[in-house]
Amino acid sequence: DGGITQSPKYLFRKEGQNVTLSCEQNLNHDAMYWYRQDPGQGLRLIYYSQIVNDFQKGDIAEGYSVSREKKESFPLTVTSAQKNPTAFYLCASSRTVLDRDSYEQYFGPGTRLTVT
Amino acid sequence: QKEVEQNSGPLSVPEGAIASLNCTYSDRGSQSFFWYRQYSGKSPELIMFIYSNGDKEDGRFTAQLNKASQYVSLLIRDSQPSDSATYLCAVRSTDKLIFGTGTRLQVFP
Repeated sequence: DGGITQSPKYLFRKEGQNVTLSCEQNLNHDAMYWYRQDPGQGLRLIYYSQIVNDFQKGDIAEGYSVSREKKESFPLTVTSAQKNPTAFYLCASSRTVLDRDSYEQYFGPGTRLTVT
Repeated sequence: QKEVEQNSGPLSVPEGAIASLNCTYSDRGSQSFFWYRQYSGKSPELIMFIYSNGDKEDGRFTAQLNKASQYVSLLIRDSQPSDSATYLCAVRSTDKLIFGTGTRLQVFP
């Protein structure tokens, strides 16, 4: 089955620790995205990547880092510099950002991170 | 001003009725529009996208786009309790999507 996987589903960490969230896709999509969702708020873009070895900051990149060494993988690290890391993190992918008709984004199941 | 605006709801409709969900956007140059459904505790699921003015139908769902009024809507015919969820409107802005905060729909038997 083609799709996007995120692991783990739930993650608990102590304040001050870095944590890495996994995102893998086998859809052969070029572009991948990380969003954060907080209660009562829409999805906010953290980072996105259009091609391997390249990525751009989204609206709320501070305290986060990413890498894109493989087309299939786009891990997100939540660093200790992120002031309010507890949230629902969603990874998404799309075929390309270059073609209007190929821009639909598909989401993974998400990782719920709790930092205490 | 928010870039993509939706009424947070809840919008309550009886089973079998038509649910009408609305979204306005601020970027007049936007070309691509998307509707996602999100059940509580789950990730968003793409249900419709529309690029041209007018209506686009897919089963019980109809997306309507009016670029002059900067308005996009989603109609759900014959609403079912299983349609109860939050519906997110998303608008493409250059190379990313801007999401609204969503409208919560409740369909009661």
